[in-house]
Amino acid sequence: GDSVTQMEGPVTLSEEAFLTINCTYTATGYPSLFWYVQYPGEGLQLLLKATKADDKGSNKGFEATYRKETTSFHLEKGSVQVSDSAVYFCALSDGGYQKVTFGTGTKLQVIP
Amino acid sequence: GAVVSQHPSWVICKSGTSVKIECRSLDFQATTMFWYRQFPKQSLMLMATSNEGSKATYEQGVEKDKFLINHASLTLSTLTVTSAHPEDSSFYICSARPGQIHGQPQHFGDGTRLSIL
Repeated sequence: GDSVTQMEGPVTLSEEAFLTINCTYTATGYPSLFWYVQYPGEGLQLLLKATKADDKGSNKGFEATYRKETTSFHLEKGSVQVSDSAVYFCALSDGGYQKVTFGTGTKLQVIP
Repeated sequence: GAVVSQHPSWVICKSGTSVKIECRSLDFQATTMFWYRQFPKQSLMLMATSNEGSKATYEQGVEKDKFLINHASLTLSTLTVTSAHPEDSSFYICSARPGQIHGQPQHFGDGTRLSIL
């Protein structure tokens, strides 16, 4: 079945540091890939998405590129802020059924 | 953009009672909604797929009689935790996707924190 593997956290960075959170996936067919963010006590918010190979999703300074050859969708941000502290989930969705498979989540802590 | 509303956001109740959680799509119709459960510091685990006008599809290991799902209309799905016990305490989240186009993301409710005393 489909699966998503992402790096374990927590990841602790100083403000303005560069962020990378690794995500790899296993899927049949051609899934869509997503990054969701969850702030403490809240639900999930879509951060960015990519629907086909070589697509780059971007939002709020975050970027991720759909790499079919390496089955990866790593999340990056050039300069993190304290307000970016949250849990980040990598996810994939098969096109037909709509079912979403999540990674385990990576907690990011940004310190001033 | 697409909005999914979940209510209530927090419930505290005694062991043995039943609790109903509502999930509404506010500006789109959803023939399919999803219910997830999230344990502290863990990922979301899909519990069931809610299908409008038909029975829900449950994931392996999820008790159908414990977690009753009703998808009465194209904008409303409910999850009822029957005879809740402390081990049912968790964060429950619903989601829905507008339309059937490939690549459209799920939109999530803000979740319901259920605490059983």
